[in-house]
Amino acid sequence: GDSVTQMEGPVTLSEEAFLTINCTYTATGYPSLFWYVQYPGEGLQLLLKATKADDKGSNKGFEATYRKETTSFHLEKGSVQVSDSAVYFCALSDPYNTDKLIFGTGTRLQVFP
Amino acid sequence: GAGVSQSPSNKVTEKGKDVELRCDPISGHTALYWYRQRLGQGLEFLIYFQGNSAPDKSGLPSDRFSAERTGESVSTLTIQRTQQEDSAVYLCASSQPGLAGYEQYFGPGTRLTVT
Repeated sequence: GDSVTQMEGPVTLSEEAFLTINCTYTATGYPSLFWYVQYPGEGLQLLLKATKADDKGSNKGFEATYRKETTSFHLEKGSVQVSDSAVYFCALSDPYNTDKLIFGTGTRLQVFP
Repeated sequence: GAGVSQSPSNKVTEKGKDVELRCDPISGHTALYWYRQRLGQGLEFLIYFQGNSAPDKSGLPSDRFSAERTGESVSTLTIQRTQQEDSAVYLCASSQPGLAGYEQYFGPGTRLTVT
């Protein structure tokens, strides 16, 4: 079945460092890809998405490109802030299969000043 | 407008008791999902409702779990004879299908602790 694999955390960075969180997927159809973020004490929020190959999703300085050839959707940010500390979840949905989201296990990011 | 709401926010119950969790989706959203998030793990899909169609129950872990939804409104997730492994945060999400890659909006979750 469809699945998502993302790098284990925690990822610990200093403020203004470059961030990459790797995400790869397995899917039989043509999924849409998402990054969700869960800030401490808050609910899950959509960070960015891409619906087809080569699309780039971006939001709040974060970017991820849908790479069909490598089945990847890595999350990047050029300069992280303390306020980016959160748990990040990569997910996919198959629009031909109820659109339920299949999540990775999450990666905790800790940014220190 | 209002987002997805869930109640209660926290529930502590004794093993063997039944619990009922509630989700109020965003008005106008025809699709509703339940997910479970165990400590330190990703979210697991439980069940999906879309309008008046038969629900997709493929993610329910056992027959102790059931869910209902009346029309396009409130949904309740019921866990019978709770076990300690049911302890988790239960998340509800709603969306408006029709476009590929539409967004699911999540509620704050219900943290269930089975003692």
